[in-house]
Amino acid sequence: SQQGEEDPQALSIQEGENATMNCSYKTSINNLQWYRQNSGRGLVHLILIRSNEREKHSGRLRVTLDTSKKSSSLLITASRAADTASYFCATGASGGSYIPTFGRGTSLIVHP
Amino acid sequence: SQTIHQWPATLVQPVGSPLSLECTVEGTSNPNLYWYRQAAGRGLQLLFYSVGIGQISSEVPQNLSASRPQDRQFILSSKKLLLSDSSFYLCASTGPRYGYTFGSGTRLTVV
Repeated sequence: SQQGEEDPQALSIQEGENATMNCSYKTSINNLQWYRQNSGRGLVHLILIRSNEREKHSGRLRVTLDTSKKSSSLLITASRAADTASYFCATGASGGSYIPTFGRGTSLIVHP
Repeated sequence: SQTIHQWPATLVQPVGSPLSLECTVEGTSNPNLYWYRQAAGRGLQLLFYSVGIGQISSEVPQNLSASRPQDRQFILSSKKLLLSDSSFYLCASTGPRYGYTFGSGTRLTVV
């Protein structure tokens, strides 16, 4: 199985600031995905970046992928209180069975 | 796009009672299906996954079992619940090109 580990575990910022969280993994991947989880809810898929991509944007989200360092970062620009949630990464394997694993996530708190 | 229906949203069960959580998927056929468990403030622990009807793989041996009686139906069961089974359970479907779709989760409290 693939392992995604998020860093930092917790992040507290003010509304309007940017939030950056990182993900590291151990083996070769086909793609990497970021998810958001509001308290007590399921995970919502935010963005998927393929192994041949280095950067991807979606609204206020910017994801980078460095396969040489086996790491990815998620940047949320101009954060809002509604961005308060936990964020998880998961990796898609390069061939073989498709069983992602998730880390503990980054808990983001955006203060209004 | 896929939609996952998971119920119930919350459940309180006594120790030793049976459990049945159901998950159904819309918008796709022959999906890979997954059951995850999440302790408070923790990551997701994969419990079971299925690549087809009747095909179940267990990641963690425990007091739970899973079944897939139909292509888009995945059931998590227990014959006798333990206090340690209290957790947040999530069903997910894939997906490999587009990521995973999750249900809204079931909060299980065993008393």
